[in-house]
Amino acid sequence: AQTVTQSQPEMSVQEAETVTLSCTYDTSENNYYLFWYKQPPSRQMILVIRQEAYKQQNATENRFSVNFQKAAKSFSLKISDSQLGDTAMYFCAFMRSSNTGKLIFGQGTTLQVKP
Amino acid sequence: DAMVIQNPRYQVTQFGKPVTLSCSQTLNHNVMYWYQQKSSQAPKLLFHYYDKDFNNEADTPDNFQSRRPNTSFCFLDIRSPGLGDAAMYLCATSRDEGGAETQYFGPGTRLLVL
Repeated sequence: AQTVTQSQPEMSVQEAETVTLSCTYDTSENNYYLFWYKQPPSRQMILVIRQEAYKQQNATENRFSVNFQKAAKSFSLKISDSQLGDTAMYFCAFMRSSNTGKLIFGQGTTLQVKP
Repeated sequence: DAMVIQNPRYQVTQFGKPVTLSCSQTLNHNVMYWYQQKSSQAPKLLFHYYDKDFNNEADTPDNFQSRRPNTSFCFLDIRSPGLGDAAMYLCATSRDEGGAETQYFGPGTRLLVL
């Protein structure tokens, strides 16, 4: 069975600084997808970034980038130039390529961006 | 704006009293999902519909049922809610494109069981 672990329940960062959220996962699959979702307080969850396991190049979306280490089964999220609107709970999620649709989420990391 | 809508946002029910949560979407996506998210925990998939085909997760209790009368609407029925069913229930949709399509989430319904 696949598992996703986020070892940092809470983190904080000063506005405009950079923060990295950690995620590790366990799978015997070779092909899969990884995601970071953001859940702001009292608002819906939205996709931040995604990574296909067969791609070696790390995904980037504006201020958000990932460090994907397939051998280590690590998938961290870096947020550059943190903004107050980045305050949210962040979930790392895994999806098998052979079972599209089923997201397996980590426990989440609550990020507080301080002014 | 195209979106995923969940009603109500907050629902209070009594122990053992059936309750129905609603989800609608204007995205015209053919896949709809229901997740349960307990306090400070990860969302957990209960089941999903691929078009009209219902796919139940193996560990979803029989107490939870779902209906999808058309593309736009999907309902979560809890036949006899217990105290342990108090949670946030998230609806999500995706367009099946043969890959790991992005899931679009609604704001959730928070269920309280008294």
